[in-house]
Amino acid sequence: KQEVTQIPAALSVPEGENLVLNCSFTDSAIYNLQWFRQDPGKGLTSLLLIQSSQREQTSGRLNASLDKSSGRSTLYIAASQPGDSATYLCAVKGSARQLTFGSGTQLTVLP
Amino acid sequence: DTAVSQTPKYLVTQMGNDKSIKCEQNLGHDTMYWYKQDSKKFLKIMFSYNNKELIINETVPNRFSPKSPDKAHLNLHINSLELGDSAVYFCASSQHIEGQSGGYGYTFGSGTRLTVV
Repeated sequence: KQEVTQIPAALSVPEGENLVLNCSFTDSAIYNLQWFRQDPGKGLTSLLLIQSSQREQTSGRLNASLDKSSGRSTLYIAASQPGDSATYLCAVKGSARQLTFGSGTQLTVLP
Repeated sequence: DTAVSQTPKYLVTQMGNDKSIKCEQNLGHDTMYWYKQDSKKFLKIMFSYNNKELIINETVPNRFSPKSPDKAHLNLHINSLELGDSAVYFCASSQHIEGQSGGYGYTFGSGTRLTVV
């Protein structure tokens, strides 16, 4: 059964810092990996989708990498801003067409 | 707007009542899902439907019954509500492409916060 772990559970950084969020998964037989953002009391916003055949995806200040063989993904946020404060969720789509989520990293960017 | 929309956004009800949450997607996706987010913010799959056919049914009490009248709609009916059912329920959709790695990502609705008192 697929398990997804996110480290750290919480992170607080000053504005302007570059940061890395980590995600690991136990079953490397995945279709894709998706990073989401969730603001308090809100729904999930998709940030980046990496197919299993890809190594990375970029969108603006965000860069996500995928190393399927080692079961790892990282989300890199450049020049963090207070508006980046949210919970970041990593999710993998496995062979059962099922999206399995990690427990999230709660990010706080201090002005 | 292309989206996944679910109603209601908030639902407060008494124990023992029966309630429904509706979900619709206009993305043309073939698969829809219900996820439950508990008080610790962990998201867990409940059900998945592909072209109106149930393909995933996790260990969910049979008081929960999904219904898919067509591939654009997946409703969730809950009987005899209990305090422990209080959570945020998210609907999502995706398009799976057999024989290809990946397929499209998931799109989520904005959630329904259910409070059972």
